[in-house]
Amino acid sequence: NAGVTQTPKFRVLKTGQSMTLLCAQDMNHEYMYWYRQDPGMGLRLIHYSVGEGTTAKGEVPDGYNVSRLKKQNFLLGLESAAPSQTSVYFCASSYPTYAGENEQYFGPGTRLTVT
Amino acid sequence: AQSVTQLGSHVSVSEGALVLLRCNYSSSVPPYLFWYVQYPNQGLQLLLKYTSAATLVKGINDFEAEFKKSETSFHLTKPSAHMSDAAEYFCAVSGYSGGYNKLIFGAGTRLAVHP
Repeated sequence: NAGVTQTPKFRVLKTGQSMTLLCAQDMNHEYMYWYRQDPGMGLRLIHYSVGEGTTAKGEVPDGYNVSRLKKQNFLLGLESAAPSQTSVYFCASSYPTYAGENEQYFGPGTRLTVT
Repeated sequence: AQSVTQLGSHVSVSEGALVLLRCNYSSSVPPYLFWYVQYPNQGLQLLLKYTSAATLVKGINDFEAEFKKSETSFHLTKPSAHMSDAAEYFCAVSGYSGGYNKLIFGAGTRLAVHP
């Protein structure tokens, strides 16, 4: 049981280049999330998905796109990278209860630098 | 809408001293509350969670937190700090936004432990 995995772990991009970050979970969770973490700003939600084939915008979605073609995978795309997207990206998954509990399980992160 | 405030972005303690990390929340419904820990260059791990059972919640590595409804607080404590406790700690509350359940994170508190 690997939990939540992310690839790649590190990446350096030049401004304008594109890339896709892959998140995979083996816990059969319905919900998946992409966050970015920047110094002093905590975690900010980029996009999330509440099930296969569905995605929604979070707090900071501009410049990113996502897809959830399979329940276990959640892809985050940067079409034209900008230096402002230099950050650490975390994927998470969860199975919220009807009552509202939402314990999330996190991947190890992807450190992205855009020059 | 739910929100979380962590008082103190940096806390420094001596090894063996009490650890107290403060978290206040705002929620219009009975909250589900979480503390996560992030060790350097790693993802977030769940330390403990409050789900309306006992108000004093015990977590891993001797951490505990007490839910105080009257004070809208969920402070994290540990009786005796270890060097290995140096990390960033995030308080979070489950909340509904846009029709779906999400976690709302505080900005984080970085704990330093000195010999």
